[in-house]
Amino acid sequence: DGGITQSPKYLFRKEGQNVTLSCEQNLNHDAMYWYRQDPGQGLRLIYYSQIVNDFQKGDIAEGYSVSREKKESFPLTVTSAQKNPTAFYLCASSIAVYRAVNYGYTFGSGTRLTVV
Amino acid sequence: AQSVTQPDIHITVSEGASLELRCNYSYGATPYLFWYVQSPGQGLQLLLKYFSGDTLVQGIKGFEAEFKRSQSSFNLRKPSVHWSDAAEYFCAVGADGGATNKLIFGTGTLLAVQP
Repeated sequence: DGGITQSPKYLFRKEGQNVTLSCEQNLNHDAMYWYRQDPGQGLRLIYYSQIVNDFQKGDIAEGYSVSREKKESFPLTVTSAQKNPTAFYLCASSIAVYRAVNYGYTFGSGTRLTVV
Repeated sequence: AQSVTQPDIHITVSEGASLELRCNYSYGATPYLFWYVQSPGQGLQLLLKYFSGDTLVQGIKGFEAEFKRSQSSFNLRKPSVHWSDAAEYFCAVGADGGATNKLIFGTGTLLAVQP
């Protein structure tokens, strides 16, 4: 079955370390997204990518970086510059960015990052 | 700019009772509207969507939603709630305006179900 795989499900890191969250999809979707979820704040967009080797900042990109070297993969790096990185991170995809409003997003099951 | 408001942060209903979760949107034209459900520690699953046609939309798990343009609302309903419906529910709006379309999500409503 097609879907989005996020790994690991739980991640612990020491303060000041960079950490990379994995997101892989086999849906043949062009567009991929990273969201951060904090209690009571809903979903906030970090980065999105419309196509391979292209990505744009979302609403809260500071302290994060991404790459899109393959259509299937959109890893997110949480850098030491992110002031409050502990959160639940969700990866999503859509057929294409301009078609997202017609079909919505498919989400992965998330990664909970805890920085100590 | 598009926005979504979910006025109720937390709702508790008894099992078997009816449910209505509120969603209000702000958008000039006819919006694309979605409801998602999130179980604890999981991703979001699409329940239903609306973008044209019949204003009453049927979704999965026995849910339905009604689009009311005059009230800028897209409320989610279920006639009889089951304990497994306890989750967080998100309303989202999408704007059909070009190559950088994105969904805008509300802050969610957490549903608790009492036995």
